[in-house]
Amino acid sequence: GESVGLHLPTLSVQEGDNSIINCAYSNSASDYFIWYKQESGKGPQFIIDIRSNMDKRQGQRVTVLLNKTVKHLSLQIAATQPGDSAVYFCAERGYQKVTFGTGTKLQVIP
Amino acid sequence: DTEVTQTPKHLVMGMTNKKSLKCEQHMGHRAMYWYKQKAKKPPELMFVYSYEKLSINESVPSRFSPECPNSSLLNLHLHALQPEDSALYLCASSQLDLISFNSPLHFGNGTRLTVT
Repeated sequence: GESVGLHLPTLSVQEGDNSIINCAYSNSASDYFIWYKQESGKGPQFIIDIRSNMDKRQGQRVTVLLNKTVKHLSLQIAATQPGDSAVYFCAERGYQKVTFGTGTKLQVIP
Repeated sequence: DTEVTQTPKHLVMGMTNKKSLKCEQHMGHRAMYWYKQKAKKPPELMFVYSYEKLSINESVPSRFSPECPNSSLLNLHLHALQPEDSALYLCASSQLDLISFNSPLHFGNGTRLTVT
């Protein structure tokens, strides 16, 4: 069946360094992917998305890379700040459904 | 603050109680969703409404009853819940792009439900 999973449950990064969060998906028919950030006590917050006809998309301090050959997705956060500490989910969008991966907790070390 | 508002923020209920969770959005989105999230787990889809009609029910027990009174409101009626139903209940909305479905969900901050 379909699954969207993450490689690492926890990632610790020094403040100011770049962070890379990885995600693998198994459904080769997936055509739209989303990254969400969830802070403690809050709902998931949209960060950035990418369609399958793209390899890379950039936002403010964030970049998403998509490698369809190996079904891999990554989120890069430049100059990581304490406010980036949260759980990050990759998600796959199908017809009316968004299916979430297991999540990576990002800890920023001051 | 999010553009999807959920009330109440916290709810404690007994197994014989009847309660309702409410969700409201004014972004003109025509798709609305209920998700359930247990601690340290990803959100899991429960229901999807498209144009105020229930389009997806992910085999959710009948003690959870969704309702979409209009395009801005979404309710989740709760009755005879079990302690294992304790979780964060998230509401979300999105545009309904019938061509590509490439539209992210916008989430509220959830209702933290405890069933005693």
